[in-house]
Amino acid sequence: SQQGEEDPQALSIQEGENATMNCSYKTSINNLQWYRQNSGRGLVHLILIRSNEREKHSGRLRVTLDTSKKSSSLLITASRAADTASYFCATDEHNDMRFGAGTRLTVKP
Amino acid sequence: GAGVSQSPSNKVTEKGKDVELRCDPISGHTALYWYRQSLGQGLEFLIYFQGNSAPDKSGLPSDRFSAERTGGSVSTLTIQRTQQEDSAVYLCASSLGGAVDTQYFGPGTRLTVL
Repeated sequence: SQQGEEDPQALSIQEGENATMNCSYKTSINNLQWYRQNSGRGLVHLILIRSNEREKHSGRLRVTLDTSKKSSSLLITASRAADTASYFCATDEHNDMRFGAGTRLTVKP
Repeated sequence: GAGVSQSPSNKVTEKGKDVELRCDPISGHTALYWYRQSLGQGLEFLIYFQGNSAPDKSGLPSDRFSAERTGGSVSTLTIQRTQQEDSAVYLCASSLGGAVDTQYFGPGTRLTVL
């Protein structure tokens, strides 16, 4: 079964705008990860946030985690056309990682 | 260093045929995962190996699907009597040891069942 559900399913923005994607999960987790998948490519790990962390930054990426709401958000600031990709969150459950259906982000130049 | 590799990169087969997909994980990675991604869909977990054993086979969609891993390294995913709904990209990932370590993905095998 899938764990970690992203929304929106699709997001289209102009270059330079910020993009926010959300992920919700159902059970308790030890960590949550965000991945990116460019069309026709494999998944690339972006960032991991542990359950005792509330926010992490990596370059133009900011991830927040609210364990009380069982949700996480991924913010991409000053988006670029190259950020066009599908973004997936993954949580750990039963000691392995399960992925959601992803958010398809399109950044228009 | 070398990443996760998968072969073939593309496979076209006729309905009813068997196919075998191969995954070479990163050297030293003990955990290996198979996922499936159908067109326009998210990732679907299939099976997870820790070493040569598969503690979780719950994601395999039917008994036509099987996977094995030998020597704690290479894994093969076999689909028997392929159906058109098996058409998808099959992704393999490996991680260092613990199941919650970062997973590194291969480029995938695109399977098309005619």
